[in-house]
Amino acid sequence: ETGVTQSPTHLIKTRGQQVTLRCSSQSGHNTVSWYQQALGQGPQFIFQYYREEENGRGNFPPRFSGLQFPNYSSELNVNALELDDSALYLCASSSDISGEQYFGPGTRLTVT
Amino acid sequence: AQSVSQHNHHVILSEAASLELGCNYSYGGTVNLFWYVQYPGQHLQLLLKYFSGDPLVKGIKGFEAEFIKSKFSFNLRKPSVQWSDTAEYFCAVRNAGKSTFGDGTTLTVKP
Repeated sequence: ETGVTQSPTHLIKTRGQQVTLRCSSQSGHNTVSWYQQALGQGPQFIFQYYREEENGRGNFPPRFSGLQFPNYSSELNVNALELDDSALYLCASSSDISGEQYFGPGTRLTVT
Repeated sequence: AQSVSQHNHHVILSEAASLELGCNYSYGGTVNLFWYVQYPGQHLQLLLKYFSGDPLVKGIKGFEAEFIKSKFSFNLRKPSVQWSDTAEYFCAVRNAGKSTFGDGTTLTVKP
């Protein structure tokens, strides 16, 4: 059974640029959630996708957007990057919309 | 709005000491409750979960948690900690469409 994978591992971008982060969910999982984790804080919920539709969103602006593909992999897109977007971005998959989640290792994004 | 509060930011214990980490949440509806652990250099993994039924749930590595509905609490316990329990612990609540994590408690166990 393959776990949740994320790419890239690390990324450095300049303020104002756009970035795409990728996530492959665990086999058999149809739900993917994205989180932003700043240093010293818990994961902050960005949004959740269930069967290719966004079905939940946290307090993040519209420049944070996502996609889920038919194979249930997912992308997180962030436009007009700001310095405060520097964080660890976590992807988690689950077999339903409210069950236990399996986390990937994260993508460390640095915005300069 | 849904929120989770973890009372202890950093806990330091000696091996064999007992552990209790507090977690309170605020949400008027039904939620599923979780504790996740992050060992140094590893990613988040599930420690235990509560969906319904017996409010005392057991997880991996000897951890347990008790759901007290009237107090909106889901405290994590372990009778005797080991050095290998050194990690960061996160309490989380989840309903259909939204997940909320606490800010975590760093546990350091001294050998």
